[in-house]
Amino acid sequence: QVHLQESGPGLLKPSETLSLTCTVSGGSVSGNYWSWIRQPPGRRLEWLGYIYYSGSTNYNPSLKSRVTISVDTSKNQFSLKLSSVTAADTAVYYCARHRLGATTNFDYWGQGALVTVSS
Amino acid sequence: DIQMTQSPSSLSASVGDRVTITCRSSQSISGYLNWYQQKPGKAPQLLIYVASSLQSGVPSRFSGSGSGTDFTLTISSLQPEDFATYYCQQSYSIPTFGQGTRLEFK
Repeated sequence: QVHLQESGPGLLKPSETLSLTCTVSGGSVSGNYWSWIRQPPGRRLEWLGYIYYSGSTNYNPSLKSRVTISVDTSKNQFSLKLSSVTAADTAVYYCARHRLGATTNFDYWGQGALVTVSS
Repeated sequence: DIQMTQSPSSLSASVGDRVTITCRSSQSISGYLNWYQQKPGKAPQLLIYVASSLQSGVPSRFSGSGSGTDFTLTISSLQPEDFATYYCQQSYSIPTFGQGTRLEFK
């Protein structure tokens, strides 16, 4: 059973950079796509982007200029950076395995990490 | 982006009821539609993928149907553990989610 766990600071000030890491256990980052998804309070889920274990990425155009996703296969981790955060970036951030192909979906999720942006 | 609209936004039902939730996309997405269940404070869990395929481990009382722009999630006989929020998600292009349907106990 694949298990994902997000980690990182829970409180940021406006203009800072959000940094989160997702550690994968019970499986390997190799051979898979991995995504970040967020859920602002009371709002719908929003996909931020994915990374393939080789390092290739695809980002949501709405956030593309601020998002960077990276992978470290030696640590079985992948990470999210979101620059110049504002209060609108306050959300629960989830990492997930992104199954791509004929049956594209998110089949394993982390428990989520709440990130609050406040001065 | 493809917009996903669910109806109703909330629904009250009782154990044993048959419940149907609808999801509509702003353009045709063929059958590239997934359904998730989310309980408070928990991550979403995949229930149905490609409109009608049941994810491994999901009870058979859950079923999905539809294609093009209109899709449904049906729970044939509600169980106490099914009271949660349900989201649809299209995987035809950049992933987008519906606003959610909150299923509450009547």
